[in-house]
Amino acid sequence: DAGITQSPRHKVTETGTPVTLRCHQTENHRYMYWYRQDPGHGLRLIHYSYGVKDTDKGEVSDGYSVSRSKTEDFLLTLESATSSQTSVYFCAISDYSGGTEAFFGQGTRLTVV
Amino acid sequence: DQQVKQNSPSLSVQEGRISILNCDYTNSMFDYFLWYKKYPAEGPTFLISISSIKDKNEDGRFTVFLNKSAKHLSLHIVPSQPGDSAVYFCAASANFGNEKLTFGTGTRLTIIP
Repeated sequence: DAGITQSPRHKVTETGTPVTLRCHQTENHRYMYWYRQDPGHGLRLIHYSYGVKDTDKGEVSDGYSVSRSKTEDFLLTLESATSSQTSVYFCAISDYSGGTEAFFGQGTRLTVV
Repeated sequence: DQQVKQNSPSLSVQEGRISILNCDYTNSMFDYFLWYKKYPAEGPTFLISISSIKDKNEDGRFTVFLNKSAKHLSLHIVPSQPGDSAVYFCAASANFGNEKLTFGTGTRLTIIP
């Protein structure tokens, strides 16, 4: 199995508070992705990174920011959490720019109350 | 605007029989397609892919068929086993996998012993 871990696995937070999710890989893959999974929507790309300090927006990036200061770590920050950001968040790593054949983390279930 | 559609939210199949999961897409630029499998509380895992230069790709019990004129692909699992019970996501990419993935909404497959 690919070495990819997400933390925390579960989090409950209040509306308006900042939240940071962490993705850590030990595989040295160049590309890293953050997705969210919601009923009726499948997985949607939030942000992705193609190298240290190189990031770009995905399909649903509003309200989220990311940072990648090291190859192995990709952080997703909700600056001011809203109830619409209640979701399951997945990090993925890949050797391919499109994220094909990506390895996914186990997910973080975030609830904003 | 759902560019990748999985119109069957759920499917039940008897063990040993064939499972057929369907996926339709609308974007004619898509030329690389993947299937992911997801168990509860785990991240998706890559299952099989196909490029638009082929109409069939086989890997053990799993076969993916692509009908470009109909913009339709299907995943066949033969014979179906209880461990195949999971949610299956179809995904598509353009530029032969170099563009970001677009996922379908998923189909929950249940194999009945």
